[in-house]
Amino acid sequence: KAGVTQTPRYLIKTRGQQVTLSCSPISGHRSVSWYQQTPGQGLQFLFEYFSETQRNKGNFPGRFSGRQFSNSRSEMNVSTLELGDSALYLCASSLVGARETQYFGPGTRLLVL
Amino acid sequence: AQKVTQAQTEISVVEKEDVTLDCVYETRDTTYYLFWYKQPPSGELVFLIRRNSFDEQNEISGRYSWNFQKSTSSFNFTITASQVVDSAVYFCALSERDFTQGGSEKLVFGKGTKLTVNP
Repeated sequence: KAGVTQTPRYLIKTRGQQVTLSCSPISGHRSVSWYQQTPGQGLQFLFEYFSETQRNKGNFPGRFSGRQFSNSRSEMNVSTLELGDSALYLCASSLVGARETQYFGPGTRLLVL
Repeated sequence: AQKVTQAQTEISVVEKEDVTLDCVYETRDTTYYLFWYKQPPSGELVFLIRRNSFDEQNEISGRYSWNFQKSTSSFNFTITASQVVDSAVYFCALSERDFTQGGSEKLVFGKGTKLTVNP
């Protein structure tokens, strides 16, 4: 089975721009979660989608949003980028949710200048 | 309050030494799940083990072993005869219900322990 894929792998943006990141889960997995990883804050949960519905969200501003499509692929969007949004964004998929093992993609490294 | 505490920020050992990574968690849930992940320099999180709160048996997988003690809320990870390839950041994580979100579950990670194994 193919693993979780994320595109793009690297991204450079400037403040004020917006960005969309994509995640394709493992085939058959219906839950997709997004995490932000920074040196200062570590791994922080952004949100989880299951069957096209956001089921849980972390403590992030409304500039961070996401969606899930009928094929379980997910996108996350960050609008009005700030310097502090520079991070590694990780996507993880699992069969039904956080109690099952989550398998992570390689991440998208975002640099905001 | 921090849900998952990995008190060791960095550990450095010499190859073939045994090393134990500590993890202490906090939860009100009676049913929860614990995980360990490894993050090599490439950045991708690699799953190592999943354990539910009702299974306190220790587990051994090759050079890796895990000690789960519910009484002390700890889930420690030991690497026996460490190798240079074990160098990575190791994360302990807890899956619990988030009652502020209608009981849906989420994974909470510790800050990680950076392990360096020197030749």
